[in-house]
Amino acid sequence: DAGVTQSPTHLIKTRGQQVTLRCSPKSGHDTVSWYQQALGQGPQFIFQYYEEEERQRGNFPDRFSGHQFPNYSSELNVNALLLGDSALYLCASTLGGYSGNTIYFGEGSWLTVV
Amino acid sequence: AQSVSQHNHHVILSEAASLELGCNYSYGGTVNLFWYVQYPGQHLQLLLKYFSGDPLVKGIKGFEAEFIKSKFSFNLRKPSVQWSDTAEYFCAVEGYKLSFGAGTTVTVRA
Repeated sequence: DAGVTQSPTHLIKTRGQQVTLRCSPKSGHDTVSWYQQALGQGPQFIFQYYEEEERQRGNFPDRFSGHQFPNYSSELNVNALLLGDSALYLCASTLGGYSGNTIYFGEGSWLTVV
Repeated sequence: AQSVSQHNHHVILSEAASLELGCNYSYGGTVNLFWYVQYPGQHLQLLLKYFSGDPLVKGIKGFEAEFIKSKFSFNLRKPSVQWSDTAEYFCAVEGYKLSFGAGTTVTVRA
């Protein structure tokens, strides 16, 4: 068990709707990153949160937003869902950023947009 | 720009065969390098990592990888695979962000 928990595990949404995914990092970790993994692809970096601020961002539109709470848990919000947003969304946690520290992944949230 | 390329999409081999998965990256600065494995129905797990020092790194389950800086490569190897090595393998590079390759599906036949 990696210690990173995500919810929900599966969900189905309609185009145009909004979705919120949640992540609790491994105990003691303060940095949370989100990835999108489409079928047959590797995980694509969405953004990283540290000390409740977005520290880095990948090449994703503003429809993708997030938040980190004082307890280090995090949410990923996607607005105006498109069919192409269907994917596995992974949360990863580490301590103080990546360098030298192991990243732990959750099992992901499967999002299907119909 | 930062990118990762994995050479093989799907590799099929028999138990006891040797495995080598290729990974090349592009990035102009210092990088940290990783191989992750995802067994069916499980989350991504770290196999091994390279930050500095000896370019030949050993990981869990008998895997090793060699960093060749001049070739921007970080190939994964295992001398003798087992059926339980059937999984998806991802190379990842950390420059200014963590980037993953598209993955290689490895199927080991008993």
